[in-house]
Amino acid sequence: GAVVSQHPSRVICKSGTSVKIECRSLDFQATTMFWYRQFPKQSLMLMATSNEGSKATYEQGVEKDKFLINHASLTLSTLTVTSAHPEDSSFYICSASRTSGGSPYNEQFFGPGTRLTVL
Amino acid sequence: AQSVSQHNHHVILSEAASLELGCNYSYGGTVNLFWYVQYPGQHLQLLLKYFSGDPLVKGIKGFEAEFIKSKFSFNLRKPSVQWSDTAEYFCAVNPFYSSASKIIFGSGTRLSIRP
Repeated sequence: GAVVSQHPSRVICKSGTSVKIECRSLDFQATTMFWYRQFPKQSLMLMATSNEGSKATYEQGVEKDKFLINHASLTLSTLTVTSAHPEDSSFYICSASRTSGGSPYNEQFFGPGTRLTVL
Repeated sequence: AQSVSQHNHHVILSEAASLELGCNYSYGGTVNLFWYVQYPGQHLQLLLKYFSGDPLVKGIKGFEAEFIKSKFSFNLRKPSVQWSDTAEYFCAVNPFYSSASKIIFGSGTRLSIRP
């Protein structure tokens, strides 16, 4: 159990276009979903935290108008990179968390990532 | 600044060698600690976690980690590595004062095992 999927796995787009990435929890309801960005040979940088039905919380330095997050249901969150530019090229990873019976920490389960290349 | 530090960026070992990857954090108070592994071309997987209790935790694939509170450390160990352990390893921290799920990752350590 606790499988998270992302679609697409890879996308190439032209500069100035917008790209939508989907993150789905396949076999559980996710109380919270997270979006990360990973540059080559670097760590995951948390971009934003989203809870179903409410506005996402963005980390410092992340442009909320650039990276639009919609968390429409307990199993789906989307990240839209608006007016993408080559510097937005990166590996985007989502994770989903669910309550862990009695634990104050809700374990995160990670998706396989989406490779975005902006030409 | 609050952070998670992994001082070894790239470690190269021969098969059967022992492994220890360092992780230090600078968050005060209670924390939950994790090690994740990312095999080439695959997504992040949880190796092990520490919430409370015995500071020596055992994870999957023969890995273990020891939480030393006084040193703010959570080093990962394996007595005898295999070629299949070649991967990127990330230490991560969930500070208790943050949201219930938010975790902060270290910069990662790339482990290369020579057959």
